[in-house]
Amino acid sequence: AQSVAQPEDQVNVAEGNPLTVKCTYSVSGNPYLFWYVQYPNRGLQFLLKYITGDNLVKGSYGFEAEFNKSQTSFHLKKPSALVSDSALYFCAANPRGATNKLIFGTGTLLAVQP
Amino acid sequence: GAVVSQHPSWVICKSGTSVKIECRSLDFQATTMFWYRQFPKQSLMLMATSNEGSKATYEQGVEKDKFLINHASLTLSTLTVTSAHPEDSSFYICSAGRARVPYNEQFFGPGTRLTVL
Repeated sequence: AQSVAQPEDQVNVAEGNPLTVKCTYSVSGNPYLFWYVQYPNRGLQFLLKYITGDNLVKGSYGFEAEFNKSQTSFHLKKPSALVSDSALYFCAANPRGATNKLIFGTGTLLAVQP
Repeated sequence: GAVVSQHPSWVICKSGTSVKIECRSLDFQATTMFWYRQFPKQSLMLMATSNEGSKATYEQGVEKDKFLINHASLTLSTLTVTSAHPEDSSFYICSAGRARVPYNEQFFGPGTRLTVL
């Protein structure tokens, strides 16, 4: 079965420090990859996506993600965390040719301490 | 652009009643709409995919007679939870797909919190 894994339920980081939220995928072909953020009792907000091209993708709010085909990973990064970045982050994959269907990871709660 | 709304944002109902949730794409025509369910501290579970004017495609394990989906136009889809029970209490999120090359982008609504007493 195709899947997306986020191995960490929670990531804790101090404000101002760099952050990484990990994501690996087991999806056939070359999937499109996404990161979304969810604040409490809200829907998902799009952060960034990888379709093709440069392995380093820049997105909203200073976030970026690095696509690594050999490791089938798409880790989310930010050079300097803010307290307001504290939220639930989801990685997702769309198998090419599967119309819009998204396969979501289980989510990682990011907690940024002041 | 690409705003998706949901109504209501929260609803409390008695067991046995039916609840309708609307999902609208406000500034674009959605080729496809999706309905997800999210339990506390868990990921989104795709319930069904709907295309305008045709029957929804339900994921395995989702009762289509329980969760009725109507996609009447390119900007509106509704999810009706029929004869709701406490176990149906959840956060329901819709998304709308907009045709783009190479990937049909998907935009998410703010979600609806359903509590069944």
